[in-house]
Amino acid sequence: GDSVTQMEGPVTLSEEAFLTINCTYTATGYPSLFWYVQYPGEGLQLLLKATKADDKGSNKGFEATYRKETTSFHLEKGSVQVSDSAVYFCALSVDTGRRALTFGSGTRLQVQP
Amino acid sequence: DADVTQTPRNRITKTGKRIMLECSQTKGHDRMYWYRQDPGLGLRLIYYSFDVKDINKGEISDGYSVSRQAQAKFSLSLESAIPNQTALYFCATSDPGGPTGELFFGEGSRLTVL
Repeated sequence: GDSVTQMEGPVTLSEEAFLTINCTYTATGYPSLFWYVQYPGEGLQLLLKATKADDKGSNKGFEATYRKETTSFHLEKGSVQVSDSAVYFCALSVDTGRRALTFGSGTRLQVQP
Repeated sequence: DADVTQTPRNRITKTGKRIMLECSQTKGHDRMYWYRQDPGLGLRLIYYSFDVKDINKGEISDGYSVSRQAQAKFSLSLESAIPNQTALYFCATSDPGGPTGELFFGEGSRLTVL
């Protein structure tokens, strides 16, 4: 079946450090790929997405490129801030009729001042 | 006010009790979902509904039931709660005409079964 694998956390960085959170996927067909973010005490919210190979999603300084050849969608940010501390979820959707997502296990990011 | 509201936000109950988690939304979306979040496992889909008369099981529906009382309301029930149903539960909505994969989540309902 479809699945998403993320690097385990927590990831602890100092402010202004470079961030990479790895995400790989297994899917039948051609999935759309997403990153969701969950701030403490809140629900998940969409951070960025890419719907076809080689697309780059970007938002709030975060970027991720849909790599079909490596089945990956790694999240990057050049300079993290304390306010980026959250849990990040990679997700995919191949059943656009159902519009339900398959999520990875989540990666907690802690940014220290 | 939040677009997707879940009640209660926190609940502690005992094994064997019946529990209902409620979700209401003001986004006008037809599609609603219930997910469960466990540490290290991410979110898993319990049930989803495309409209009042269309309810479907997700990947982990055993032990749960749902009711879609209206377009705006989607409730999740645990008929006889057990400790391994201790988790954080999320309701979400989506617009069938909107961007693929964009779900709108509530703030979650934390359930503890003793």
